[in-house]
Amino acid sequence: NAGVTQTPKFQVLKTGQSMTLQCAQDMNHNSMYWYRQDPGMGLRLIYYSASEGTTDKGEVPNGYNVSRLNKREFSLRLESAAPSQTSVYFCASSELYGAGGRYTQYFGPGTRLTVL
Amino acid sequence: GQQVMQIPQYQHVQEGEDFTTYCNSSTTLSNIQWYKQRPGGHPVFLIQLVKSGEVKKQKRLTFQFGEAKKNSSLHITATQTTDVGTYFCALQGAQKLVFGQGTRLTINP
Repeated sequence: NAGVTQTPKFQVLKTGQSMTLQCAQDMNHNSMYWYRQDPGMGLRLIYYSASEGTTDKGEVPNGYNVSRLNKREFSLRLESAAPSQTSVYFCASSELYGAGGRYTQYFGPGTRLTVL
Repeated sequence: GQQVMQIPQYQHVQEGEDFTTYCNSSTTLSNIQWYKQRPGGHPVFLIQLVKSGEVKKQKRLTFQFGEAKKNSSLHITATQTTDVGTYFCALQGAQKLVFGQGTRLTINP
């Protein structure tokens, strides 16, 4: 089991360029998430997909779009990158389990993005 | 929406000293989770607390859930350099987790 994988690991963009961050999980989880983490800061939720075919905005969705391609894959797209989007991006997945509906999240290794 | 306050934001200790981080919520929680992120790494799940007053131990780490289920703490006894990192608590929201800001622990060997 690879768990949650993300590509690329590092990326440098110029302002205005676009790119897609890829995420895949092999744990058969229904829910997937995209976070950003700025230096020395906490995790901020960008978008999430509670189940295949659904996506919802998180705390900081502006400037991003997502696609839940299938149950395994959840991509994040920056249409026109800005320096303010320089950050580390983490993908995570989880499954609803147990009485009371608990989610434990499993994170990918992250993509370190710099926008010049 | 739900929010959680985590304190302190930073903590620097000498190796061998104890360390504690706290999470506080204004609302009653169904459960709380703790994660650890090593420098340059990704968050990794440590534990989940569900019951009022619950105490769980993992070697030198002790996790507590308050009686009113509004607060939680993580205590590390006799820190080691391997404990360096940021510790996050996370609340159960609707189909997602709400993370605290984290406590960054640095250790002087």
